[in-house]
Amino acid sequence: DAGVIQSPRHEVTEMGQEVTLRCKPISGHDYLFWYRQTMMRGLELLIYFNNNVPIDDSGMPEDRFSAKMPNASFSTLKIQPSEPRDSAVYFCASSPFNARGEKLFFGSGTQLSVL
Amino acid sequence: AQKVTQAQTEISVVEKEDVTLDCVYETRDTTYYLFWYKQPPSGELVFLIRRNSFDEQNEISGRYSWNFQKSTSSFNFTITASQVVDSAVYFCALSEILTGANSKLTFGKGITLSVRP
Repeated sequence: DAGVIQSPRHEVTEMGQEVTLRCKPISGHDYLFWYRQTMMRGLELLIYFNNNVPIDDSGMPEDRFSAKMPNASFSTLKIQPSEPRDSAVYFCASSPFNARGEKLFFGSGTQLSVL
Repeated sequence: AQKVTQAQTEISVVEKEDVTLDCVYETRDTTYYLFWYKQPPSGELVFLIRRNSFDEQNEISGRYSWNFQKSTSSFNFTITASQVVDSAVYFCALSEILTGANSKLTFGKGITLSVRP
């Protein structure tokens, strides 16, 4: 089975530009998570969806960040306008459930550099 | 608030050495789950183990072993006879209840392990 697929793997953009990160979860997984990884803050949960509905977006840093899940097989994380401090690795993860003991399946991440 | 502390930031060992990665957690929950994930140079996080707070038995899987001690709120990870392929960033994580059946993982900052040949 294919794992969680993220694109692009690397994104370099200039400050002020719009950036869109994409994720395809594992088929059959009802939960999708977006995480951000930085040296300073480690791994932070930005938002997660259940059956395409956003459940908790309290981790989204600012209004410049938005996430959508138009269907069960696709999600986007958009930053508009981007800023240098948004530079990080963004991970998408999915799981069949969100019970406390459920493990997450992560994608390979998108390395975002905002110049 | 829940917290996971991985005090070691970087560890370097020579191949075949044993190495222990420390994890200390804080939670008010009486029922919780602890995890270890591995992030190899390729980037994706890979699940290694999950432990229920009611199960304090240590676990061994090949060269990997985990020591869970509720009395000290620790969940340490030992790699025996380390190999170069063990070089990675290792994350400890704690599952936190949000609402109802919903939860989220709180991750530690990670430990970068380098195994030299």
